[in-house]
Amino acid sequence: QKEVEQNSGPLSVPEGAIASLNCTYSDRGSQSFFWYRQYSGKSPELIMSIYSNGDKEDGRFTAQLNKASQYVSLLIRDSQPSDSATYLCAVNRAGSYQLTFGKGTKLSVIP
Amino acid sequence: SQTIHQWPATLVQPVGSPLSLECTVEGTSNPNLYWYRQAAGRGLQLLFYSVGIGQISSEVPQNLSASRPQDRQFILSSKKLLLSDSGFYLCAWGGSNQPQHFGDGTRLSIL
Repeated sequence: QKEVEQNSGPLSVPEGAIASLNCTYSDRGSQSFFWYRQYSGKSPELIMSIYSNGDKEDGRFTAQLNKASQYVSLLIRDSQPSDSATYLCAVNRAGSYQLTFGKGTKLSVIP
Repeated sequence: SQTIHQWPATLVQPVGSPLSLECTVEGTSNPNLYWYRQAAGRGLQLLFYSVGIGQISSEVPQNLSASRPQDRQFILSSKKLLLSDSGFYLCAWGGSNQPQHFGDGTRLSIL
């Protein structure tokens, strides 16, 4: 069974710090990787996509992918209280129509 | 740009009643469409997906069904709701090896 694992948290960081969210996946055929942010009571919102090994930066967000270690992470710099949410990691196998989601990590940014 | 509409936002139904949730997508043609359920405090569960009109794949056996009568319309139905059908229902669209984008969701409570 293909799995995506995330630490459920909560992960608490002070305002202005770097939040580091981690995700591991079991399917070596995975090709596309996504991070979603989900505020309480709201639907998931795509914040980052990454397809190749290395880092991808978008504003305060950096996604990191290491396919050899089957590991993808999300760094949030200068964390703000508005970043407090659950972050979902999702993985897509090449040629598949489906995403496999982790259960999410709850992030709390303390003012 | 693409938009996805999902309604109603909230729904309270008695056990044994029927259900119909509708989702439409604008700004794209022949999207892959998805129905997910998210139970309280739990991860996303894929219920159905569709790669074209009349093509439905079911991921979880249950008393729910889905239909795709038009290219950008996806409907989730039930003839008789169970208490266990309560949850947050999310419609999403996406392409192969691309991220999925979610509607605002329907919060369904069964009494």
